Amino acid sequence: KAGVTQTPRYLIKTRGQQVTLSCSPISGHRSVSWYQQTPGQGLQFLFEYFSETQRNKGNFPGRFSGRQFSNSRSEMNVSTLELGDSALYLCASSLSGVWTEAFFGQGTRLTVV
Amino acid sequence: GESVGLHLPTLSVQEGDNSIINCAYSNSASDYFIWYKQESGKGPQFIIDIRSNMDKRQGQRVTVLLNKTVKHLSLQIAATQPGDSAVYFCAEFLGNQFYFGTGTSLTVIP
Repeated sequence: KAGVTQTPRYLIKTRGQQVTLSCSPISGHRSVSWYQQTPGQGLQFLFEYFSETQRNKGNFPGRFSGRQFSNSRSEMNVSTLELGDSALYLCASSLSGVWTEAFFGQGTRLTVV
Repeated sequence: GESVGLHLPTLSVQEGDNSIINCAYSNSASDYFIWYKQESGKGPQFIIDIRSNMDKRQGQRVTVLLNKTVKHLSLQIAATQPGDSAVYFCAEFLGNQFYFGTGTSLTVIP
């Protein structure tokens, strides 16, 4: 079956702009989590959606937001981009949020200039 | 945030040798841990997990050891193969989220 698909794979944006990233989970998976990965900070949890509801949220400012649609596809939005937002953004999907069955996508590499 | 750190940022081993990757965590209340493998250009891949009520768990060629006394986690890979070359990082679960280490880059020398 198809894996977790993230689009776009690469993105370059200017400071102050906003960006929307997309994640299509594995068919049947209802939980989608988003992460930011940087060399210095490692992987940091952004939020988790389950059945269109945000279930958990990490310690990121309100500029980072997300949503999940009825087909479980999820989008993440970052407004007023800062240089420090440059990172690899990963999403992971699972049937119900059980971590042993979570699968990650390849990520979206965002560069803010 | 929580601190999950790795003792060595890079590790090189000969093919066929055993590899040991270490991880220190900071909160004794963390009750669940996962090791991930991330190959270049790919997302993290689950390797093995362990709950805090255990001190050892074995998988296929991998073993995770948990020492709660010193808040230390290690991943042992037996008979390391070239395909094991990747970044490995641990994650601890506390509260309602995971906290991840920055990773150790493992290079297998043929």
